[in-house]
Amino acid sequence: QKEVEQNSGPLSVPEGAIASLNCTYSDRGSQSFFWYRQYSGKSPELIMFIYSNGDKEDGRFTAQLNKASQYVSLLIRDSQPSDSATYLCAVRSGNEKLTFGTGTRLTIIP
Amino acid sequence: GAVVSQHPSWVICKSGTSVKIECRSLDFQATTMFWYRQFPKQSLMLMATSNEGSKATYEQGVEKDKFLINHASLTLSTLTVTSAHPEDSSFYICSATVGGELFFGEGSRLTVL
Repeated sequence: QKEVEQNSGPLSVPEGAIASLNCTYSDRGSQSFFWYRQYSGKSPELIMFIYSNGDKEDGRFTAQLNKASQYVSLLIRDSQPSDSATYLCAVRSGNEKLTFGTGTRLTIIP
Repeated sequence: GAVVSQHPSWVICKSGTSVKIECRSLDFQATTMFWYRQFPKQSLMLMATSNEGSKATYEQGVEKDKFLINHASLTLSTLTVTSAHPEDSSFYICSATVGGELFFGEGSRLTVL
């Protein structure tokens, strides 16, 4: 069974610091990796996607992928209180279906 | 950008009744839509893949006779929860893929009394 694992948290980070969110996956055939942010009571919204090994930066967000270690992470620089949310890692393996992790609850402390 | 819209955003119903949730793609045609369910403090679980003009594909453990999915047009998929019970209370979210990215609707919170 394909699995996506995340630490459920909560992860508390001081405002202005770097928040690091981690995700591991079991299916070596996975090809696409996504990070979603979900505020309480709302549906997920896409933050970033990454397909290739290495880093991908978009503003304050950096996604890192290591396929050999089956590991993908999300770094949030200069954390803001508005970044407080649950972050979902999702993995796609060939077809259109995504498998989601359980999410990490992030709290930015002012 | 691509927008997926759901309606209603929340619904409360009595046990034993049926509830229909609509999912529309507003500025693109979606041959495939996905229905997810999310219980409190849990992740999204894929229920079924809705295919325009054909039967939906259900994930293991999801009762197709209870969760009826209709995808009659390229812009509309509906999920009907039949004979709803309190354990069906959840957050139901539809989504569609555009250009390799998955876009979600706003979600529909169902509470069954």
